[in-house]
Amino acid sequence: EADIYQTPRYLVIGTGKKITLECSQTMGHDKMYWYQQDPGMELHLIHYSYGVNSTEKGDLSSESTVSRIRTEHFPLTLESARPSHTSQYLCASSEMTGADSPLHFGNGTRLTVT
Amino acid sequence: QQPVQSPQAVILREGEDAVINCSSSKALYSVHWYRQKHGEAPVFLMILLKGGEQKGHEKISASFNEKKQQSSLYLTASQLSYSGTYFCGTHGSGNTGKLIFGQGTTLQVKP
Repeated sequence: EADIYQTPRYLVIGTGKKITLECSQTMGHDKMYWYQQDPGMELHLIHYSYGVNSTEKGDLSSESTVSRIRTEHFPLTLESARPSHTSQYLCASSEMTGADSPLHFGNGTRLTVT
Repeated sequence: QQPVQSPQAVILREGEDAVINCSSSKALYSVHWYRQKHGEAPVFLMILLKGGEQKGHEKISASFNEKKQQSSLYLTASQLSYSGTYFCGTHGSGNTGKLIFGQGTTLQVKP
C-alpha cells in the first residue's frame, strides 16, 4: 500500500491568508507531483519535481509555489489565497525509473477560500 | 497536450461490457489508466508502454496502439465496484516525466 500523506484533509480559510499544503511520502520516490482537481472534473498538473532542488511548473498555470528540500517532502504554498483557489489539491509520487512507474496519490486536500 | 477520452459517460447494467478510449495528437511513450471513486484519490490500474502490448487485470484489460496514438480500456462483465471515473494519463515520446491526464470517463454500473 502506498505511503503518501497529505495534510490538512480539509481547509477553510479567508481571502488573503498564506497557506501551505503538506505532502510527504515514505517510499523514497524521486518524482513528486501536485495536481489540481475541481469536483467531478479532470486532473490538472500544476507542479512536479524530479528530486531534491528540482521543481517545474505543470501545464496549468498556478499562483502556488513548491519546494523540494528533502526527498520525502513536497509542500505547496499559496502566498495570498483567493476564492478562485478553491479546489482539491492532490499530491502524488512515483519512482524515477521512467514512464513505466505508476503514480501513488495522497488523499488530497480540499481547500475552500471564503 | 491533453489526451482526449471517449465517451464522457457510460451507464451499464451489471454484467455488461464497456470500452473507454484515449487518444492523443502527439506520439506517445506510455499510457497509464487510473480509476477514481467519488471522494477518493485516483487508484492505479495499469501502464502500457509503446509496442502495442495488451495488459489485463482480472476482467479489466487495455491495449495501446502506438501508430494510432491511442489506447482502449476494456471492462468485461462489469461489477458494481467498477463504478467511478476512469482517467488515462499519457507521457509524450520524449519521456519528460510529466503525466498529463485526459478529462475522464464516468462509468456507472447499475444492479
